[in-house]
Amino acid sequence: GAGVSQTPSNKVTEKGKYVELRCDPISGHTALYWYRQSLGQGPEFLIYFQGTGAADDSGLPNDRFFAVRPEGSVSTLKIQRTERGDSAVYLCASSLQAAETQYFGPGTRLLVL
Amino acid sequence: AQSVTQLDSQVPVFEEAPVELRCNYSSSVSVYLFWYVQYPNQGLQLLLKYLSGSTLVKGINGFEAEFNKSQTSFHLRKPSVHISDTAEYFCAVIPGNNNDMRFGAGTRLTVKP
Repeated sequence: GAGVSQTPSNKVTEKGKYVELRCDPISGHTALYWYRQSLGQGPEFLIYFQGTGAADDSGLPNDRFFAVRPEGSVSTLKIQRTERGDSAVYLCASSLQAAETQYFGPGTRLLVL
Repeated sequence: AQSVTQLDSQVPVFEEAPVELRCNYSSSVSVYLFWYVQYPNQGLQLLLKYLSGSTLVKGINGFEAEFNKSQTSFHLRKPSVHISDTAEYFCAVIPGNNNDMRFGAGTRLTVKP
């Protein structure tokens, strides 16, 4: 079946702009995760959804970052007033249930100029 | 809080040689342990996982890992590597009391002919 998909694959924006990154999880997966991977680093946890609610958003770096999952499937990560330091690959993963194997999407590479 | 340390940032080996990629973690609670592989320009793929039971876990592509609770380690091994094993390898931990997956910084395995 289809895996986790993320759009766009690449996004270039200017400092101060607003961006939205989309994640389509595997059908039927109740848990959805967002990570950020900077160059040469491992993925860094941002937020985890169980169904429609954010069960843990402790990894969001500041209030410019926000994520939603209104119908318990597709999720959108929103970044306001982007900064150059936000440049990274944003990864989405889903799992059937929490604490089970996470399946990762290919990521969205964000570049803030 | 838990953390994951991958002791080697780069491991160069010759084809058909054995390899061990080291991973240590710190956690005050029981953990689930994972190894993911990231091939060039591809997303993260699960190699193997330890949830409970036998401490020796076998994964895809001939890799295996051993959970050592007393040494808080989960080293990844393969008896004979191929050129196609060249990739970035990430160790990850989910503590038993929440759902945040924490990754190590990664080990770049380069297999030379």
